[in-house]
Order: sequence, then structure tokens, then C-alpha cells
Amino acid sequence: DAGVIQSPRHEVTEMGQEVTLRCKPISGHNSLFWYRQTMMRGLELLIYFNNNVPIDDSGMPEDRFSAKMPNASFSTLKIQPSEPRDSAVYFCASTQDVSSYNSPLHFGNGTRLTVT
Amino acid sequence: TQLLEQSPQFLSIQEGENLTVYCNSSSVFSSLQWYRQEPGEGPVLLVTVVTGGEVKKLKRLTFQFGDARKDSSLHITAAQPGDTGLYLCASRYKLSFGAGTTVTVRA
Repeated sequence: DAGVIQSPRHEVTEMGQEVTLRCKPISGHNSLFWYRQTMMRGLELLIYFNNNVPIDDSGMPEDRFSAKMPNASFSTLKIQPSEPRDSAVYFCASTQDVSSYNSPLHFGNGTRLTVT
Repeated sequence: TQLLEQSPQFLSIQEGENLTVYCNSSSVFSSLQWYRQEPGEGPVLLVTVVTGGEVKKLKRLTFQFGDARKDSSLHITAAQPGDTGLYLCASRYKLSFGAGTTVTVRA
């Protein structure tokens, strides 16, 4: 199993530019999560999908952030326009059954975003 | 405020020493999970504790869930440099994570 695949690994962009982060979950997993990790705030849940449907987007900071999951094998997180305070590591995770504690979250290796 | 409070924030010890990290909350949980994260990687699940008072062992790592299911601890015996990492506790409630304890084991 290839695990959760994220791209790019690193992204450096200028303030005001659009940024798109990509994620391929583990095949067969029904739930997908986007987290953001910073030193100040730790790991924060931004949004999660169940069977490709957004369930909870209360963690999305503001309208500049949007996420889509057009099919079971692909999701994007878009920031438009980006700001320096968006600099963080963004993680995608997936799990087979979000309602079961026996189903762990599997994380990708993250995208390190730097907005200058 | 964090749903899960972890302490200490940082811990640096010599190889061979023991250490304990804590995860506390005012809420009661049906389960808690511990993850370890190494630099440049995502968190990886170590263990899930479910029953109040439960103790689980994973080689030199011992995990305990409080009787009231509001807290948990992770104890590492005879720590090794390979134990270095960020240890995170997590709850399926709101899919939330604690801020983590950064453990450094010096050779």
C-alpha cells in the first residue's frame, strides 16, 4: 500500500497567489481529513469528508480556503489569495471508518507551505 | 483552549533514562489515541486505549488510560535515540489532537 500521497512536498509562493495542495487517500478509505500544523497552534482540523461529501468544515479559517473531493481517490485544498500567516505544514489523512476508534488516521508526509 | 492538554511541552533526556508524558482533559472520552511524529513525516498511530484504567504495552512504551477516562499517560523505559519525536494524544471526538510533547533522547 502506497499510503496517503500528498503533493507538492514543499511550496513557496508570494502573498496574493493561489495555492493548491493535493492528496490521494489510501484506496478503500471512506474518510479524508485536512489538517494544518504550526508551532503555535499544533495540529488543527480544517475539514473532513465522508464518502466524498464535506461533513465538517468549521475549522476552515476563512473564505480564502476551500476544499474539494471530486472522487474517492483525490482531494484538493485551495488557498486564494494566500497570506504569510497561512505558512504551515498541511497534512492530509484518511481512514476506513471515521466512527470507529479501531480505524486509525493514516497521514501523508505533508506539504510545507511558505508564503512570502 | 485545547481540548487535550499535554505536558511537558519539551523533554530532553539521556539515553537509558525513563520518561513520562501526560495528556489531560476536563472531558470524558470513549477512547484516546497516541501518535508519534518524526521530522518531515506525518503522525503515526502507536496505540488506542478504550477502557478506564487500561494499561497497554508496546515494547518499552507503556500507555495508561485514567480510571475516569479523562487523562492518559505514556511512559518510556530506558529511552533510546530512536524514541526521539513528537508525541501526540488524540481524541476521535472532534478529531482533535493535543499540542504534543517533543521528546529528545541524547546518545
